[in-house]
Amino acid sequence: QVQLQESGPGLVKPSETLSLTCTVSGGSVSSYYWSWIRQPPGKGLEWIGYISISGSTNYNPSLKSRVTISVDTSKNQFSLNLSSVTAADTAVYYCARGRGALDWGQGILVTVSS
Amino acid sequence: DIVMSQSPLSLSVTPGQPASISCKSSQSLLHSDGNTYLYWSLQKPGQPPQLLIYQVSNRLSGVPDRFSGSGSGTDFTLKISRVEPEDVGVYYCMQTIQLPYTFGQGTKLEIK
Repeated sequence: QVQLQESGPGLVKPSETLSLTCTVSGGSVSSYYWSWIRQPPGKGLEWIGYISISGSTNYNPSLKSRVTISVDTSKNQFSLNLSSVTAADTAVYYCARGRGALDWGQGILVTVSS
Repeated sequence: DIVMSQSPLSLSVTPGQPASISCKSSQSLLHSDGNTYLYWSLQKPGQPPQLLIYQVSNRLSGVPDRFSGSGSGTDFTLKISRVEPEDVGVYYCMQTIQLPYTFGQGTKLEIK
């Protein structure tokens, strides 16, 4: 079974870049689509974007100008960068396998605060 | 964007009784490839969501058969035939036919 684990800083200052990594085990990062989804505290789920097997990406237009998702096949990881963050970007960030989110990581809380 | 509307937003069910959650989309989720891209997930308290059902009615391996999904076009339903205490949490529907992918607001299931 594929397992995912998010990692990265839990605190980011406003206007800086949020950078998270998702480490994949039990499967190859080259074999699936990979997604990022976030959940503000006490709220619902918001799809951020995905990267395909070929490396093409699609992002939520509400975040598009600030988001980059990439894959590192040598480390079997994929990453999320979100630039120019504000308090509104405070959320639990989840990585997931597939466009339909078949498997999820445990999530990582990222707080945007000075 | 496709708007996903769930109802009810909360429900309280006695163990052993059935439960039903509706999810309506603002556009049809039927793709030209013949598949309908509607998913159901459950987020148990303090846990990440877990996918239960994909493409309307297909249960993931290991999901109890008391969970069933049905519907077509823009109208979908998740049914639990006999609710058990471990079914508590928030249920979300999600569409992946059109970017950006969108979720319903969530339906919170509690046990009486």
